[in-house]
Amino acid sequence: KAGVTQTPRYLIKTRGQQVTLSCSPISGHRSVSWYQQTPGQGLQFLFEYFSETQRNKGNFPGRFSGRQFSNSRSEMNVSTLELGDSALYLCASSLSGGVNTGELFFGEGSRLTVL
Amino acid sequence: GENVEQHPSTLSVQEGDSAVIKCTYSDSASNYFPWYKQELGKRPQLIIDIRSNVGEKKDQRIAVTLNKTAKHFSLHITETQPEDSAVYFCALGGSNYKLTFGKGTLLTVNP
Repeated sequence: KAGVTQTPRYLIKTRGQQVTLSCSPISGHRSVSWYQQTPGQGLQFLFEYFSETQRNKGNFPGRFSGRQFSNSRSEMNVSTLELGDSALYLCASSLSGGVNTGELFFGEGSRLTVL
Repeated sequence: GENVEQHPSTLSVQEGDSAVIKCTYSDSASNYFPWYKQELGKRPQLIIDIRSNVGEKKDQRIAVTLNKTAKHFSLHITETQPEDSAVYFCALGGSNYKLTFGKGTLLTVNP
């Protein structure tokens, strides 16, 4: 079956702009998580959604937001972009939603460059 | 809160040698300990995981050990091969619907 699909794969924005990233989970997976990956910092948790409800949010400013649709697809938005927002944004889906019960399947990521 | 320290940050071994990566944590509520492998330019993929009621788990050349009392867990790779070269991340999971990742270990296996 198809894996986790993220679009766009690459994008370049300027400071002050906003960006929307999309994630389509594996069919049947109802939990979608988002992580920010930067060199030397590993993967930092942004938020997790299950059945259109945000169940947890990481320590990121309010400029970072997300949502999940009834078909489990998810989007994240970053407003008023800053240079430090340049990163690889990874989406991951899982079957049940409880991360301690099973594997996270990651997409290939959306690489955002802010100039 | 959750915090996980991963060591070493880089590790270079000769093909055929063993590699060990260790992670320490502070949150006693953590009960799920996965390891992810990320090859250059690729997505992270789960290679092995362990739960708090198990002390050790093996899968062919890889194994994970957990010491809940000391709050540390380790990844062991035996008979390393060049294709094992990647960044390895440990992570913690609990009941809060997220994984907390270590900063990663760049493993290089020299032929």
